[in-house]
Amino acid sequence: DSGVTQTPKHLITATGQRVTLRCSPRSGDLSVYWYQQSLDQGLQFLIQYYNGEERAKGNILERFSAQQFPDLHSELNLSSLELGDSALYFCASSVTGGASTDTQYFGPGTRLTVL
Amino acid sequence: GQQVMQIPQYQHVQEGEDFTTYCNSSTTLSNIQWYKQRPGGHPVFLIQLVKSGEVKKQKRLTFQFGEAKKNSSLHITATQTTDVGTYFCAGGRGNQFYFGTGTSLTVIP
Repeated sequence: DSGVTQTPKHLITATGQRVTLRCSPRSGDLSVYWYQQSLDQGLQFLIQYYNGEERAKGNILERFSAQQFPDLHSELNLSSLELGDSALYFCASSVTGGASTDTQYFGPGTRLTVL
Repeated sequence: GQQVMQIPQYQHVQEGEDFTTYCNSSTTLSNIQWYKQRPGGHPVFLIQLVKSGEVKKQKRLTFQFGEAKKNSSLHITATQTTDVGTYFCAGGRGNQFYFGTGTSLTVIP
Protein backbone atom coordinates (compact mmCIF):
# COMPACT_ATOMS: atom_id res chain seq x y z
CA ASP A 1 0.00 0.00 0.00
CA SER A 2 1.61 3.24 -1.21
CA GLY A 3 -0.59 5.52 0.91
CA VAL A 4 -2.08 7.14 -2.20
CA THR A 5 -5.79 6.58 -2.62
CA GLN A 6 -7.85 6.88 -5.76
CA THR A 7 -11.60 6.72 -6.26
CA PRO A 8 -13.49 5.23 -7.89
CA LYS A 9 -11.68 2.01 -8.69
CA HIS A 10 -13.76 1.38 -11.80
CA LEU A 11 -15.88 3.71 -13.88
CA ILE A 12 -18.05 2.81 -16.85
CA THR A 13 -19.67 5.58 -18.81
CA ALA A 14 -20.86 6.54 -22.28
CA THR A 15 -19.30 8.67 -25.00
CA GLY A 16 -19.94 12.36 -24.59
CA GLN A 17 -20.20 12.14 -20.82
CA ARG A 18 -18.09 13.81 -18.15
CA VAL A 19 -16.40 12.10 -15.19
CA THR A 20 -14.30 13.13 -12.23
CA LEU A 21 -11.48 11.03 -10.81
CA ARG A 22 -10.28 11.69 -7.29
CA CYS A 23 -6.87 11.28 -5.70
CA SER A 24 -5.61 11.73 -2.16
CA PRO A 25 -1.84 11.91 -1.85
CA ARG A 26 0.29 10.36 0.85
CA SER A 27 0.29 12.25 4.10
CA GLY A 28 2.85 15.02 3.85
CA ASP A 29 3.24 14.91 0.08
CA LEU A 30 2.66 18.24 -1.62
CA SER A 31 2.79 17.20 -5.24
CA VAL A 32 0.31 15.19 -7.29
CA TYR A 33 0.82 13.78 -10.77
CA TRP A 34 -1.73 12.29 -13.16
CA TYR A 35 -0.91 9.62 -15.74
CA GLN A 36 -2.86 7.78 -18.39
CA GLN A 37 -2.04 4.17 -19.23
CA SER A 38 -3.82 2.63 -22.19
CA LEU A 39 -3.83 -1.11 -22.84
CA ASP A 40 -0.29 -2.35 -23.38
CA GLN A 41 0.96 1.22 -23.38
CA GLY A 42 3.40 3.07 -21.24
CA LEU A 43 2.64 5.80 -18.80
CA GLN A 44 1.61 9.06 -20.41
CA PHE A 45 2.19 12.03 -18.13
CA LEU A 46 -0.80 14.35 -18.07
CA ILE A 47 -0.25 17.03 -15.46
CA GLN A 48 1.43 17.83 -12.14
CA TYR A 49 0.27 20.02 -9.27
CA TYR A 50 2.39 21.23 -6.39
CA ASN A 51 0.78 22.72 -3.31
CA GLY A 52 -2.30 23.77 -5.24
CA GLU A 53 -0.54 25.22 -8.26
CA GLU A 54 -0.01 23.68 -11.68
CA ARG A 55 3.69 22.75 -11.94
CA ALA A 56 4.09 20.87 -15.20
CA LYS A 57 1.91 19.91 -18.12
CA GLY A 58 2.29 16.89 -20.35
CA ASN A 59 0.12 15.40 -23.05
CA ILE A 60 -3.17 16.49 -21.54
CA LEU A 61 -6.07 17.03 -23.90
CA GLU A 62 -8.07 20.25 -23.76
CA ARG A 63 -11.12 18.15 -22.80
CA PHE A 64 -9.29 17.18 -19.62
CA SER A 65 -8.62 19.42 -16.65
CA ALA A 66 -7.33 18.98 -13.15
CA GLN A 67 -7.00 20.86 -9.92
CA GLN A 68 -5.47 20.43 -6.48
CA PHE A 69 -7.44 21.62 -3.48
CA PRO A 70 -6.22 23.24 -0.24
CA ASP A 71 -6.31 19.87 1.52
CA LEU A 72 -3.98 18.66 -1.29
CA HIS A 73 -6.35 16.13 -2.79
CA SER A 74 -6.67 16.37 -6.54
CA GLU A 75 -9.36 15.79 -9.12
CA LEU A 76 -9.02 14.99 -12.80
CA ASN A 77 -12.00 15.97 -14.90
CA LEU A 78 -12.54 14.26 -18.24
CA SER A 79 -15.27 15.66 -20.49
CA SER A 80 -16.79 14.89 -23.88
CA LEU A 81 -15.49 11.38 -23.43
CA GLU A 82 -14.48 9.34 -26.46
CA LEU A 83 -13.91 5.62 -26.83
CA GLY A 84 -10.17 6.24 -26.96
CA ASP A 85 -10.22 7.73 -23.46
CA SER A 86 -10.74 4.25 -22.04
CA ALA A 87 -7.63 3.63 -19.96
CA LEU A 88 -6.18 3.22 -16.51
CA TYR A 89 -5.62 6.58 -14.86
CA PHE A 90 -2.97 6.72 -12.17
CA CYS A 91 -2.34 9.37 -9.63
CA ALA A 92 1.06 9.62 -7.97
CA SER A 93 2.35 11.84 -5.21
CA SER A 94 5.75 12.98 -4.07
CA VAL A 95 7.16 14.99 -1.22
CA THR A 96 8.07 18.19 -2.97
CA GLY A 97 7.68 17.83 -6.72
CA GLY A 98 10.11 20.70 -7.05
CA ALA A 99 12.73 18.58 -8.73
CA SER A 100 12.67 15.47 -10.83
CA THR A 101 14.60 13.55 -8.20
CA ASP A 102 11.50 12.96 -6.11
CA THR A 103 10.28 9.40 -5.72
CA GLN A 104 6.73 9.07 -6.98
CA TYR A 105 4.27 6.90 -5.08
CA PHE A 106 1.48 5.60 -7.26
CA GLY A 107 -2.11 4.95 -6.31
CA PRO A 108 -3.99 1.83 -7.38
CA GLY A 109 -5.51 3.59 -10.39
CA THR A 110 -8.99 4.19 -11.75
CA ARG A 111 -10.02 2.04 -14.69
CA LEU A 112 -12.23 4.07 -17.02
CA THR A 113 -14.29 2.33 -19.67
CA VAL A 114 -16.10 4.47 -22.22
CA LEU A 115 -18.82 2.63 -24.14
CA GLY B 1 10.51 16.67 -27.75
CA GLN B 2 11.85 14.62 -24.92
CA GLN B 3 11.63 10.90 -25.57
CA VAL B 4 12.66 7.93 -23.51
CA MET B 5 12.63 4.63 -25.31
CA GLN B 6 13.01 1.19 -23.84
CA ILE B 7 13.98 -2.05 -25.51
CA PRO B 8 12.86 -4.70 -25.78
CA GLN B 9 9.13 -4.08 -25.49
CA TYR B 10 8.52 -7.70 -24.49
CA GLN B 11 10.84 -10.40 -23.17
CA HIS B 12 10.10 -14.01 -22.37
CA VAL B 13 12.75 -15.92 -20.43
CA GLN B 14 13.04 -19.32 -18.81
CA GLU B 15 13.23 -19.18 -15.05
CA GLY B 16 16.88 -18.95 -14.09
CA GLU B 17 17.94 -17.05 -17.21
CA ASP B 18 19.19 -13.48 -17.06
CA PHE B 19 17.23 -10.48 -18.32
CA THR B 20 18.23 -6.98 -19.36
CA THR B 21 16.17 -3.96 -20.37
CA TYR B 22 17.68 -0.84 -21.87
CA CYS B 23 16.51 2.73 -21.60
CA ASN B 24 17.62 5.46 -24.01
CA SER B 25 16.95 9.17 -23.93
CA SER B 26 17.28 11.63 -26.78
CA THR B 27 18.67 14.22 -24.37
CA THR B 28 20.82 14.29 -21.26
CA LEU B 29 18.99 13.45 -18.07
CA SER B 30 19.55 14.73 -14.56
CA ASN B 31 18.68 11.34 -13.08
CA ILE B 32 16.99 8.07 -13.88
CA GLN B 33 14.48 6.13 -11.86
CA TRP B 34 13.25 2.58 -12.33
CA TYR B 35 9.77 1.34 -11.50
CA LYS B 36 8.17 -2.10 -11.58
CA GLN B 37 4.51 -2.69 -12.34
CA ARG B 38 3.16 -6.15 -11.55
CA PRO B 39 0.28 -7.40 -13.72
CA GLY B 40 -2.88 -5.65 -12.56
CA GLY B 41 -0.90 -3.44 -10.21
CA HIS B 42 0.53 0.03 -10.08
CA PRO B 43 4.12 1.18 -10.66
CA VAL B 44 6.35 0.82 -7.64
CA PHE B 45 9.62 2.69 -7.24
CA LEU B 46 12.74 0.52 -7.32
CA ILE B 47 15.75 2.83 -7.40
CA GLN B 48 17.20 6.15 -8.49
CA LEU B 49 20.55 6.82 -10.18
CA VAL B 50 21.99 10.31 -10.30
CA LYS B 51 25.70 10.19 -11.09
CA SER B 52 27.28 9.56 -14.46
CA GLY B 53 28.38 5.93 -14.72
CA GLU B 54 26.66 5.01 -11.46
CA VAL B 55 25.98 1.34 -10.74
CA LYS B 56 23.67 0.14 -7.99
CA LYS B 57 22.65 -3.35 -6.95
CA GLN B 58 19.60 -4.71 -5.22
CA LYS B 59 20.05 -8.44 -4.67
CA ARG B 60 19.74 -9.93 -8.18
CA LEU B 61 19.02 -6.57 -9.83
CA THR B 62 21.81 -4.36 -11.19
CA PHE B 63 21.08 -0.83 -12.37
CA GLN B 64 23.46 1.27 -14.43
CA PHE B 65 23.43 4.91 -15.56
CA GLY B 66 25.46 5.70 -18.66
CA GLU B 67 28.49 7.96 -18.71
CA ALA B 68 26.68 10.51 -20.88
CA LYS B 69 23.55 10.28 -18.68
CA LYS B 70 21.46 9.45 -21.71
CA ASN B 71 20.98 5.73 -21.17
CA SER B 72 20.43 3.22 -18.44
CA SER B 73 20.01 -0.50 -18.02
CA LEU B 74 18.43 -2.91 -15.58
CA HIS B 75 19.85 -6.42 -15.42
CA ILE B 76 18.24 -9.25 -13.50
CA THR B 77 20.37 -12.30 -12.77
CA ALA B 78 18.74 -15.72 -12.58
CA THR B 79 15.15 -14.59 -13.02
CA GLN B 80 12.40 -15.92 -10.79
CA THR B 81 8.65 -16.01 -11.36
CA THR B 82 8.31 -13.17 -8.88
CA ASP B 83 10.19 -10.93 -11.35
CA VAL B 84 7.22 -10.96 -13.74
CA GLY B 85 5.92 -7.50 -14.60
CA THR B 86 6.64 -4.40 -16.61
CA TYR B 87 9.76 -2.42 -15.87
CA PHE B 88 9.71 1.30 -16.58
CA CYS B 89 12.56 3.74 -16.53
CA ALA B 90 11.78 7.39 -15.87
CA GLY B 91 14.24 10.06 -16.86
CA GLY B 92 14.29 13.28 -14.93
CA ARG B 93 14.91 16.59 -16.62
CA GLY B 94 13.89 19.94 -15.19
CA ASN B 95 10.69 19.49 -13.23
CA GLN B 96 9.45 16.57 -15.26
CA PHE B 97 9.80 12.85 -15.43
CA TYR B 98 9.71 11.19 -18.81
CA PHE B 99 8.62 7.59 -18.51
CA GLY B 100 9.98 5.04 -20.90
CA THR B 101 7.75 2.78 -22.93
CA GLY B 102 8.35 -0.15 -20.58
CA THR B 103 9.59 -3.71 -20.96
CA SER B 104 7.15 -6.48 -20.14
CA LEU B 105 8.92 -9.49 -18.65
CA THR B 106 7.41 -12.96 -18.66
CA VAL B 107 9.21 -15.71 -16.76
CA ILE B 108 8.43 -19.25 -17.82
CA PRO B 109 8.69 -21.73 -14.93
